[in-house]
Amino acid sequence: NAGVTQTPKFQVLKTGQSMTLQCAQDMNHNSMYWYRQDPGMGLRLIYYSASEGTTDKGEVPNGYNVSRLNKREFSLRLESAAPSQTSVYFCASRLGQDNEQFFGPGTRLTVL
Amino acid sequence: AQKVTQAQTEISVVEKEDVTLDCVYETRDTTYYLFWYKQPPSGELVFLIRRNSFDEQNEISGRYSWNFQKSTSSFNFTITASQVVDSAVYFCALISSGSARQLTFGSGTQLTVLP
Repeated sequence: NAGVTQTPKFQVLKTGQSMTLQCAQDMNHNSMYWYRQDPGMGLRLIYYSASEGTTDKGEVPNGYNVSRLNKREFSLRLESAAPSQTSVYFCASRLGQDNEQFFGPGTRLTVL
Repeated sequence: AQKVTQAQTEISVVEKEDVTLDCVYETRDTTYYLFWYKQPPSGELVFLIRRNSFDEQNEISGRYSWNFQKSTSSFNFTITASQVVDSAVYFCALISSGSARQLTFGSGTQLTVLP
């Protein structure tokens, strides 16, 4: 039981490049989330998927897109990376609306 | 709107001291859930506790204890006899129905336990 997995662990991009961050969970959770963590700002929600087939914007969605590929997988895409998107990205999942979230190990992204 | 405030940005203690991390929350809902997470230097986020708004009993788990007081909108976390391995960033977080049940995090408290 791997929990929540994310790939890659590290990535360096040049401004304007695109990439997709992958996330998968094996806990049969309904909801999945993408956060970014910046120094001194805690975690901020980018997008979430309350259930398979649905996605919604969070607090900071600009510059990102998501796909809930199936119940297990939720990907985050940066179409044209900008230096402001340099951050640590965390994927999370939870079983129900009021349950705790379980987090993946994070992806450290640097945009030059 | 909901908000979580962790006013202590950084705390340093010497090993074996007790330390309390403060968390104050704001929500208009009567039903809500509070959480604490730990982020050690390795970077992962580890779930510690979940507490609902109808259960004000304090909870103890080993050296960890949590004090939930609705009257002051606080959910404080105490580590007794701190150890170097407790060094981490600790986040308090809140879910309430008014926020579409999304998790709102505080900005975190960096705890350093010195040997």
